[in-house]
Amino acid sequence: GNSVTQMEGPVTLSEEAFLTINCTYTATGYPSLFWYVQYPGEGLQLLLKATKADDKGSNKGFEATYRKETTSFHLEKGSVQVSDSAVYFCALMNYGGATNKLIFGTGTLLAVQP
Amino acid sequence: SAVISQKPSRDICQRGTSLTIQCQVDSQVTMMFWYRQQPGQSLTLIATANQGSEATYESGFVIDKFPISRPNLTFSTLTVSNMSPEDSSIYLCSVMGQKNTEAFFGQGTRLTVV
Repeated sequence: GNSVTQMEGPVTLSEEAFLTINCTYTATGYPSLFWYVQYPGEGLQLLLKATKADDKGSNKGFEATYRKETTSFHLEKGSVQVSDSAVYFCALMNYGGATNKLIFGTGTLLAVQP
Repeated sequence: SAVISQKPSRDICQRGTSLTIQCQVDSQVTMMFWYRQQPGQSLTLIATANQGSEATYESGFVIDKFPISRPNLTFSTLTVSNMSPEDSSIYLCSVMGQKNTEAFFGQGTRLTVV
């Protein structure tokens, strides 16, 4: 079946540090991959996505590349800010059938200290 | 992207009572979903809300406990029935975008059962 395995948190970084949050997946076919972010007390926001192998999604300085050979979609940012403190969820969606469902990883809490 | 309004944003309820959560979208959408996010956990899909027919529930969720209505393409409700403290969670409404390639989320309803 489809599943997402995500790096466990919490991840604590100093401001301007480099961020990597690992995400690997198991899926049949060719899923789309997503990163969502949940700021404290809020719902989920789509951060970035990639729909096919070697695609790179990017937004707000965050990047992730769809690596089919390693079934990975690691999230990176070169210089984090305190405002990036949030929970980050990796997710996949396989299309087809009656509905398109999102499968989420467990989430990674990022805490950025000034 | 779709703008999703969820009400109420939070509530504290007595055990044994029921709460109905509303989800309003600013445009017609084909697919609407309800998720549960238990404290410190990832998101679990409860059901797909189908317009004009019964919702499609995921394993572990039943209609008697989580009745769902979807009278049109812009509105849905989720009721959490006969609540117990174990139902304390964030409940999130989600819709698929126009191209059915990505999902958007409401701000969530933070429910506490005492």
